[in-house]
Amino acid sequence: DQQVKQNSPSLRVQEGRISILNCDYTNSMFDYFLWYKKYPAEGPTFLISISSIKDKNEDGRFTVFLNKSAKHLSLHIVPSQPGDSAVYFCAASAGKSGYSTLTFGKGTMLLVSP
Amino acid sequence: DAGVIQSPRHEVTEMGQEVTLRCKPISGHNSLFWYRQTMMRGLELLIYFNNNVPIDDSGMPEDRFSAKMPNASFSTLKIQPSEPRDSAVYFCASTTNRGMNTEAFFGQGTRLTVV
Repeated sequence: DQQVKQNSPSLRVQEGRISILNCDYTNSMFDYFLWYKKYPAEGPTFLISISSIKDKNEDGRFTVFLNKSAKHLSLHIVPSQPGDSAVYFCAASAGKSGYSTLTFGKGTMLLVSP
Repeated sequence: DAGVIQSPRHEVTEMGQEVTLRCKPISGHNSLFWYRQTMMRGLELLIYFNNNVPIDDSGMPEDRFSAKMPNASFSTLKIQPSEPRDSAVYFCASTTNRGMNTEAFFGQGTRLTVV
């Protein structure tokens, strides 16, 4: 049973427009959420994170929104650039449980066309 | 720092053979994770070490899989005997503490093909 779900396998966006990637989770113990970006033949790299005590975190062109009541988070990329084309993984952890590991979604492939 | 180093980058082996994947975490990191990526299941956690001690191995699929961390700078994931369904990309990741509310740093992965 997937505790972190990314229901869109792929997303295509034009350069300069907004990219919105969505993620849903089912485990109410999750209290820390992360987005990773993965290029082909490379490992995932950390992009941005948010703690459950916040509902928004912004870093340059990247903003993550958290809606705890809906158990939903989203990553906004504005403006999108061709170099943003990659697979984006949503991940969650339950830090309060002590030893914490990251649970990942299956990923969304973003293609930003010029 | 060179980051998390995994070897080999690619491994092709015949069914039934033993396969050993290697990982060197970032110096100073005391938590290490092994993940497996497949199209069907995405990134799955296989096992998690903290201070060289296995904490959670519930993700290890079968007894054919085993992992060790003999010291803070080295870990192995072994599959014996290997099967075609083990074909996947295996990632090692490390982080600075017990993994609470911090990002993990990933290696470039080992692409395993079992024929």
